[in-house]
Amino acid sequence: AQSVTQLGSHVSVSEGALVLLRCNYSSSVPPYLFWYVQYPNQGLQLLLKYTTGATLVKGINGFEAEFKKSETSFHLTKPSAHMSDAAEYFCAVSEGAGGTSYGKLTFGQGTILTVHP
Amino acid sequence: SAVISQKPSRDICQRGTSLTIQCQVDSQVTMMFWYRQQPGQSLTLIATANQGSEATYESGFVIDKFPISRPNLTFSTLTVSNMSPEDSSIYLCSVEPRGLAAYNEQFFGPGTRLTVL
Repeated sequence: AQSVTQLGSHVSVSEGALVLLRCNYSSSVPPYLFWYVQYPNQGLQLLLKYTTGATLVKGINGFEAEFKKSETSFHLTKPSAHMSDAAEYFCAVSEGAGGTSYGKLTFGQGTILTVHP
Repeated sequence: SAVISQKPSRDICQRGTSLTIQCQVDSQVTMMFWYRQQPGQSLTLIATANQGSEATYESGFVIDKFPISRPNLTFSTLTVSNMSPEDSSIYLCSVEPRGLAAYNEQFFGPGTRLTVL
């Protein structure tokens, strides 16, 4: 079984400030980890993913995330927030190859990011 | 990547009726998924629909309520049957273009926003 916990349903930052969205997961096998963004009235767009290899992954729009196995975390960061970053962000986990839930995504509850001028 | 369209984009329905949602992909894909996003909630997987086999439903979802068709590699439908206000949600389809051999990421459609009165 797998689960995802996103700490903080709402995060508010000033434009230009650091963005940090927290995600912790549990998985019985080595996980695949994803961050998706959902803009108002739109579908989900993949920001970045970790499957294997380098634990620091870079995505679109200046976002990056680091897989920390010892902390079971995959926090999303961006050095400088932009007004256009305002959206809802979802962390998701999938079991990797060999897992019984291979291919199925389990999502966290989502974090709404607000960016103030 | 894959481009996914859904029809209808939104609908308002009366309780007791049924609605069929269509999902069209611009390329052939093996794995398709249907998710539900209830108001203010995260995404929950309803079922996995692979071409050539019966859909596999997650715990809490049954075929009589959410029948799924997958007639070919580019198309799927989800029917929400005998609707009640609790079925008011956004329904999203997603695809994993590369299949089980090289699972990587899912691409999501724009969603169908359903309101049941």
